[in-house]
Amino acid sequence: DTEVTQTPKHLVMGMTNKKSLKCEQHMGHRAMYWYKQKAKKPPELMFVYSYEKLSINESVPSRFSPECPNSSLLNLHLHALQPEDSALYLCASSHRGQGIQEKLFFGSGTQLSVL
Amino acid sequence: EDQVTQSPEALRLQEGESSSLNCSYTVSGLRGLFWYRQDPGKGPEFLFTLYSAGEEKEKERLKATLTKKESFLHITAPKPEDSATYLCAVQAVRGDMRFGAGTRLTVKP
Repeated sequence: DTEVTQTPKHLVMGMTNKKSLKCEQHMGHRAMYWYKQKAKKPPELMFVYSYEKLSINESVPSRFSPECPNSSLLNLHLHALQPEDSALYLCASSHRGQGIQEKLFFGSGTQLSVL
Repeated sequence: EDQVTQSPEALRLQEGESSSLNCSYTVSGLRGLFWYRQDPGKGPEFLFTLYSAGEEKEKERLKATLTKKESFLHITAPKPEDSATYLCAVQAVRGDMRFGAGTRLTVKP
């Protein structure tokens, strides 16, 4: 299994809703990442978990809350989002851990619309 | 501050018309330079990693090269299925990967 699986593929939510994005990999990778990508823009790093510990938080607003329950799962909890948070949210993983020269394996993303 | 700049922003080619995409970077302590391909509504897909100046990698119609300041992705005799956005990313000393804005390639039959 060489896939990173993200659910849901599409999500529409109001500004008062609470929702969660889920990411799963079974490749034994020890680093997992959340990226945000706006249309025609590059992916922007949000969070990095390395060996299930949060190692990078790129000053993301507190309305985004990451969680890594175990080495295979990564969640992103959303609360009180703004319309400008509408974007493609990408999960990625890498083999040995953040900080080592390795390629990232990306999921197909969750397309989020905030109304 | 680490920077990655890709050019051109968009490129339209006829099938079979070879060309090159550029990625210029400034980074303190380059650990690796990566090329990814991204199709609309999908996550980026890994193509190549380059670690040191002078290194080259090839895969089918694609060839990536690296100097101390930039990388090129050469596309030889492209086909319509090569149409995608090509992203360059650099990994610096801290370890996180920074992406350029990408080049949107369209290959017309």
